Amino acid sequence: AQSVSQHNHHVILSEAASLELGCNYSYGGTVNLFWYVQYPGQHLQLLLKYFSGDPLVKGIKGFEAEFIKSKFSFNLRKPSVQWSDTAEYFCAVNPSGGYQKVTFGIGTKLQVIP
Amino acid sequence: EADIYQTPRYLVIGTGKKITLECSQTMGHDKMYWYQQDPGMELHLIHYSYGVNSTEKGDLSSESTVSRIRTEHFPLTLESARPSHTSQYLCASSRTGFGTGELFFGEGSRLTVL
Repeated sequence: AQSVSQHNHHVILSEAASLELGCNYSYGGTVNLFWYVQYPGQHLQLLLKYFSGDPLVKGIKGFEAEFIKSKFSFNLRKPSVQWSDTAEYFCAVNPSGGYQKVTFGIGTKLQVIP
Repeated sequence: EADIYQTPRYLVIGTGKKITLECSQTMGHDKMYWYQQDPGMELHLIHYSYGVNSTEKGDLSSESTVSRIRTEHFPLTLESARPSHTSQYLCASSRTGFGTGELFFGEGSRLTVL
């Protein structure tokens, strides 16, 4: 079975700082990778996804993530965070093909200070 | 904006009561899921459904039950609530085929059992 590890559980940044949230997964085959975001009081929503092709994927609100297959990693980045990025971020993985369950990481709470 | 709806959003109930958490989606998705989310923990899949009359237990053992009589409706029932059932329950759905794994979430039902 697959698993997901998020290294930072709570991150505090000042506005305009750069962000990188780590995510590693364990699974021997081909995977789909996701970052979900949960803003305070709102539902979980997709931030970006990787299925195949260019390993650098761009999502909403200036976020991007890079899939490094050799490192089993899918780190989330943003060059300059805003106060409105304060949220909880979840990395998720599911094996490609057929019905495969999605496994989530523990989440990283990001607090951006104005 | 989510097209998946959960009610109630908040519920406080006494031990031994029967409760049903409702989940409906208007996207025509075949696959639906229930996740349990506790603070500081990853989301745990407790139930899923491939389609009408199909239900399966997820990775985390749960005393709850689910039913899928209509495509759009996936309610979760606890016959006799206990304090250990206190948690947030998230309902989600996804398309079949390409895009499987991209989940659409409701806003959650936060259950407190006294």
